[in-house]
Amino acid sequence: SQTIHQWPATLVQPVGSPLSLECTVEGTSNPNLYWYRQAAGRGLQLLFYSVGIGQISSEVPQNLSASRPQDRQFILSSKKLLLSDSGFYLCAWSVSGNYEQYFGPGTRLTVT
Amino acid sequence: AQSVTQPDIHITVSEGASLELRCNYSYGATPYLFWYVQSPGQGLQLLLKYFSGDTLVQGIKGFEAEFKRSQSSFNLMKPSVHWSDAAEYFCAVDPFAYGGSQGNLIFGKGTKLSVKP
Repeated sequence: SQTIHQWPATLVQPVGSPLSLECTVEGTSNPNLYWYRQAAGRGLQLLFYSVGIGQISSEVPQNLSASRPQDRQFILSSKKLLLSDSGFYLCAWSVSGNYEQYFGPGTRLTVT
Repeated sequence: AQSVTQPDIHITVSEGASLELRCNYSYGATPYLFWYVQSPGQGLQLLLKYFSGDTLVQGIKGFEAEFKRSQSSFNLMKPSVHWSDAAEYFCAVDPFAYGGSQGNLIFGKGTKLSVKP
């Protein structure tokens, strides 16, 4: 069966520090991968999606970037965090051509 | 503008009572429709989905949803709520399903469900 992992689970970082969040999927090949941010009372905002290694599409211009160095690995990064980057970050995957997305457990990021 | 609306931010129901959570979308064509549930501090779990066919769809945990094209709605229902159903519920649509979608779901802002004993 397929599983999706995210780490770390929680993170507290000062403003201006770098960020690296990792997401990995097991049990499937060539998944579509997604990064969402969830802010309180604002639902989920799609940040990036990827349909293959090295293929990243950005939905919202911002302080963040994403990379997909391996088929089942998706990384969310920032060079300098802002206070507004605080939130709950969720990674998700789907089978290419399918429309259901499956979510990881999330990372709670607090920027201080 | 294209959007997904969940008009109720917070709903409280008594255990054993029936539940209906509302979801409306504004897209030209019928999108693919989903309901997800999120427990505090957790990821999202897919409850059910509608692609086509029978407009009443069954999901996990005793939930069902009804698609009404004329009202652009996809409301989530449960005949008898359990205390463990307390969570946040998100409606989502894939508006480009018929056009070779990448699976970019658009989510509503969620409805938080509280259950009274």
